Amino acid sequence: GAVVSQHPSRVICKSGTSVKIECRSLDFQATTMFWYRQFPKKSLMLMATSNEGSKATYEQGVEKDKFLINHASLTLSTLTVTSAHPEDSSFYICSARRTATEAFFGQGTRLTVV
Amino acid sequence: QQQVKQSPQSLIVQKGGISIINCAYENTAFDYFPWYQQFPGKGPALLIAIRPDVSEKKEGRFTISFNKSAKQFSLHIMDSQPGDSATYFCAARESGADSWGKLQFGAGTQVVVTP
Repeated sequence: GAVVSQHPSRVICKSGTSVKIECRSLDFQATTMFWYRQFPKKSLMLMATSNEGSKATYEQGVEKDKFLINHASLTLSTLTVTSAHPEDSSFYICSARRTATEAFFGQGTRLTVV
Repeated sequence: QQQVKQSPQSLIVQKGGISIINCAYENTAFDYFPWYQQFPGKGPALLIAIRPDVSEKKEGRFTISFNKSAKQFSLHIMDSQPGDSATYFCAARESGADSWGKLQFGAGTQVVVTP
């Protein structure tokens, strides 16, 4: 399968600081990438759809100013959690769409805000 | 509200047995149905997928059965192995340009295969 690399895999940050998570498609170009959040033993919750060169489309209830998404190239999308608080602690996962139907996931980022 | 309903929430199967996970949907605009396997602390990995014009697809020990009229599809894991112990998610892709191919996920099924 295609390779999607997400970095970092784990991050601990202090409350009030910002943290950036990178998602790269290593062996294909992805015009569309998705960002998900997953709580323990729960399903994936779509946060936003990121299209290269345009503004991200956020799902209802997701704060655009808190979760900044940038998709500057066909192989890189970033999610920045701004002014992080403990309630933002979660498992964040990106996925990149390789074809009209196939989407491949990164390995996820465990964010802990202390 | 979850657009794809998945059951059971968890299941335990003996090594060599068959694991069966079921999913149902209502939205007829869904046009692609993948299954993902997720291990703890990892991202989901695409396992197998099917389109609605096909009733069954088999890849190795994994088989998807699809019933378009009933809007149901299922994953069968044959000869289950301890290494198959993971959480499995069904998903459905929304057709249409505005959806960008985003997926709606089921709630997940935790499968435990006992030795």
